[in-house]
Amino acid sequence: AQSVAQPEDQVNVAEGNPLTVKCTYSVSGNPYLFWYVQYPNRGLQFLLKYITGDNLVKGSYGFEAEFNKSQTSFHLKKPSALVSDSALYFCAVRDINNFNKFYFGSGTKLNVKP
Amino acid sequence: GAVVSQHPSWVICKSGTSVKIECRSLDFQATTMFWYRQFPKQSLMLMATSNEGSKATYEQGVEKDKFLINHASLTLSTLTVTSAHPEDSSFYICSAGGLTGEGETQYFGPGTRLLVL
Repeated sequence: AQSVAQPEDQVNVAEGNPLTVKCTYSVSGNPYLFWYVQYPNRGLQFLLKYITGDNLVKGSYGFEAEFNKSQTSFHLKKPSALVSDSALYFCAVRDINNFNKFYFGSGTKLNVKP
Repeated sequence: GAVVSQHPSWVICKSGTSVKIECRSLDFQATTMFWYRQFPKQSLMLMATSNEGSKATYEQGVEKDKFLINHASLTLSTLTVTSAHPEDSSFYICSAGGLTGEGETQYFGPGTRLLVL
């Protein structure tokens, strides 16, 4: 079975500082991993994904994520946080038997303070 | 990016009534759409896969007679919560699969908040 875990309910960071939102995964086989962001009263927006290739994946709005197979992690990062980055972030893994099926983490609320 | 809309954005209804939620893909055709449910401070849980022109596929534990799904066209799927009860109160989100320059991914609607009194 596939699953992802987000160990932090909330992450607080000052504007301009680097941010990390953690995600670990459990899959059988090669993982297809995703990050989505949800702003209040908005749908989830795709940020980036890892399918294969380089372990460092670059995505939208300056975000990037590092795939680490030995640690089964896919942490989301940004070198310099903006107040507008404050939102709910979800890590997700795609079912290897059904590409249309996603399993989401519990979400991490990112608070960026001026 | 691709756009998926939902209507209504929020609804309040009395216990025992039925509520219909629409999910539309605005700028692409989606043969498959998905319905999720999100409880406060919890993850999205896939309820069912909506297939255009055929019956929906429900996840284990989801009552198909309770949550009726219809996918009548390539741009519209509807979820009807029948005989709603307070425990059905939740945030319902739909998504549609698409193929864009980013490859194959899911595009999510803004969600519908349902409150059953």
